[in-house]
Amino acid sequence: EVQLVQSGAEVKKPGESLNISCKGSGYSFTNYWIAWVRQMPGKGLEWMGIIYPGDSETRYSPSFQGQVTISADKSLSTAYLQWSSLKASDTAMYYCARLMVQGVMSFWGQGTLVTVSS
Amino acid sequence: EIVLTQSPGTLSLSPGERATLSCRASQTVSSNFLTWYQQKPGQAPRLLIYGASSRATGIPDRFSGSGSGTDFTLTISRLEPEDFAVYYCQQYGSSPWTFGQGTKLEIK
Repeated sequence: EVQLVQSGAEVKKPGESLNISCKGSGYSFTNYWIAWVRQMPGKGLEWMGIIYPGDSETRYSPSFQGQVTISADKSLSTAYLQWSSLKASDTAMYYCARLMVQGVMSFWGQGTLVTVSS
Repeated sequence: EIVLTQSPGTLSLSPGERATLSCRASQTVSSNFLTWYQQKPGQAPRLLIYGASSRATGIPDRFSGSGSGTDFTLTISRLEPEDFAVYYCQQYGSSPWTFGQGTKLEIK
């Protein structure tokens, strides 16, 4: 069974760094792209970027380029979403999803809620 | 960037009725690379339709997708109580991939 298990909720202060994770199981982690999607409170879905764990090729949405870093550790079957300096506007639910084919997010993690508040 | 506009914003229907949700793109969606997702409160989205009209694994056949170019439709033939949720379309024909703002399907 394909599963993506994300790390738990985080409460951080502005300016702090953060790394959230998404662990894949039940399939060959290196062979499928992983996407990250943001959902701000009460709002819709926004595509942030994707990574291919096999070679760590990464692509970002222009809206998120330079704002976050997407990475993966294939030895741990885990993808990461990182911030070096959080802002209050980063408060959101973040989902990882495995792509079935390019662009189609067929399996989703349960989401990680990030709250940034002073 | 392709902007997807979903209509209506909210759709109020009763179980057993037919639902028709629209997604209009600001430019042609390449190769009809369009998906539909369902999201219930407190849950992650679920893939329903990809390639504009292909049902994902395990999705009941009351869900169907159609359309091409800039106009796409998700139809739910006979609403079941569990179908009341928010529905999003997404295009993956050109980067950046973009989502519509969602249609909330609520019980009348």
